[in-house]
Amino acid sequence: DTAVSQTPKYLVTQMGNDKSIKCEQNLGHDTMYWYKQDSKKFLKIMFSYNNKELIINETVPNRFSPKSPDKAHLNLHINSLELGDSAVYFCASSHGTGGGYGYTFGSGTRLTVV
Amino acid sequence: GNSVTQMEGPVTLSEEAFLTINCTYTATGYPSLFWYVQYPGEGLQLLLKATKADDKGSNKGFEATYRKETTSFHLEKGSVQVSDSAVYFCALPYYNQGGKLIFGQGTELSVKP
Repeated sequence: DTAVSQTPKYLVTQMGNDKSIKCEQNLGHDTMYWYKQDSKKFLKIMFSYNNKELIINETVPNRFSPKSPDKAHLNLHINSLELGDSAVYFCASSHGTGGGYGYTFGSGTRLTVV
Repeated sequence: GNSVTQMEGPVTLSEEAFLTINCTYTATGYPSLFWYVQYPGEGLQLLLKATKADDKGSNKGFEATYRKETTSFHLEKGSVQVSDSAVYFCALPYYNQGGKLIFGQGTELSVKP
């Protein structure tokens, strides 16, 4: 039983399209995150939700909109996709908001914009 | 704010060699420190962690000690295997920022038979 599952695993789409990535965790965690990993493996946080409330919103273009319908789910919708959005997007979850427990990551969604 | 610096890769070793990947940090207070591993095509997995000064985290033959005096958390393994080939990330939480983890730039390890 996968702890943090993301769908789809691969996403190839054209510039200008709108796409969504879904994430679900069955660990009972109350905090979920979206991270972007670029081609050099650098990881940057995008958003975080705690119990459905947005608590971290980094400097991300407003074409990216997260939604958390409940504490077990965090989705990411991207409008008007650009070539520079190509990356691997990771969902993660954790207990609380102190950062002391670390994260459990999903296996990632590789987004390719052509 | 908190920050983390890792040694650059890639690192190439022969099987059974000794591994050290350096990680140094700056932090407010004494946050937990983490090492994550990312195998090819997969997500990051927590490898080990330490929650206070002088703590040693260990897992799968890897070890790292939380050194307050040198602000370091170097990852070591006595004898690497081909299956250890992966990217390794050092991480710590930002101070008082909602659980946000800051990651080092990652060190790619390649182990040859």
